[in-house]
Formats: sequence, structure tokens, C-alpha cells
Amino acid sequence: ELKVEQNPLFLSMQEGKNYTIYCNYSTTSDRLYWYRQDPGKSLESLFVLLSNGAVKQEGRLMASLDTKARLSTLHITAAVHDLSATYFCAVDSTDDKIIFGKGTRLHILP
Amino acid sequence: NAGVTQTPKFRILKIGQSMTLQCAQDMNHNYMYWYRQDPGMGLKLIYYSVGAGITDKGEVPNGYNVSRSTTEDFPLRLELAAPSQTSVYFCASQTLGAEAFFGQGTRLTVV
Repeated sequence: ELKVEQNPLFLSMQEGKNYTIYCNYSTTSDRLYWYRQDPGKSLESLFVLLSNGAVKQEGRLMASLDTKARLSTLHITAAVHDLSATYFCAVDSTDDKIIFGKGTRLHILP
Repeated sequence: NAGVTQTPKFRILKIGQSMTLQCAQDMNHNYMYWYRQDPGMGLKLIYYSVGAGITDKGEVPNGYNVSRSTTEDFPLRLELAAPSQTSVYFCASQTLGAEAFFGQGTRLTVV
């Protein structure tokens, strides 16, 4: 059964700093997704990673996928307050379920 | 540009009552999903469907039922509501290997 683990679960950081969120998963998959959720809102897609070595960047966020290590990272460069949100990774299982991690609650201090 | 539409947005149920959460998408997506999100937690998969007429259980299916008679609609049925089903419910749809689109959620309270 597919398990998806994110760490850290909570992260408080200062503006201008860099940080990385990690997403590990337990069974083979080459489809991984990152989503953002603001408080009280729905989920918004950030990245779709579909192969080993895939790297996607949008603004201050960059995501990568290593399918051999079953690991994805979401890197934040020079954080700004607007990036405060909860970030989820989700993984496609072989039976088409999409399983989410518990989320990383990111709080960026001005 | 409707995307994924969920109704209702809010609902209060009494213990033992039943209700159906509606979900409709207009993007011709084959894959549809129902998740629940408890306060401060991640999303748990309740049921999913890979096409009309096909449904399957997710991580937490007990107490729920679904049907998928058309590509567009994927209703979630709660029978005999219990306080443990108090949660926010999200419906999502996607094409395989692409981003999922989420509805705005249904906030359900069982008292």
C-alpha cells in the first residue's frame, strides 16, 4: 500500500531564506504532484512531475523528482510572505489512486 | 469555465441522517476522486473512479457510497451520518498524468 510522507510538517522561516520540503513515498511511481492550499480554500496545482529527473520551476518554487530514491523536493528560494500556505505532495499509485502526504504548513515571517 | 462544481458548500446534519454531496465537472475528465480533510490534516481518499460505471474504494470508504453513471457526475452518499464524518469534503477530477482540478469543498458538520 502506498504511503506518502512529507517533512517537515511545520516550517516557520524568515523572508529571504531558502528552504526545502521533502516528500518520500513507499512504492514505485513516476507521477507526483505538488499542490498549494491557503487557509479555508481549495487546492491549487503547482507542479506535475512525470519522470525520473523531472525538474519544474515557477517563480521562487522549484520541484524535482527522483523515482529511484522515491523522493521529491520542493525548494523555496528567497522566501516571501505570499508563499505562506500549506503545501501537499501527492503520488499516483499503480491502481490509479492518488495518495496525499499530510502537508507542510509553511509560515514565512516578514 | 466552471471546472469542478460541488454542492452544497455547507451542511449541518443530525446523527443518523443521510445526504448526497454532488460533484460535477465539465472538462471531460475520466478520473474523479472524493477526499475528506479533517482540520489541520491532509487529504484522505474516500472513493475514486477511472470512468463512467467504474468506482473503487480509497483509504477511508466506510460509511460512504458513490456512483458514476456519467462522465460528468460523481455523487458521494453518506448513509447514517456520524460525528466522525464531520469534515471538509473535496471532489477532484483529472486526466491521467495531468494536474487534478479541485472543487471548492463542502463543509459538513454532523451533530
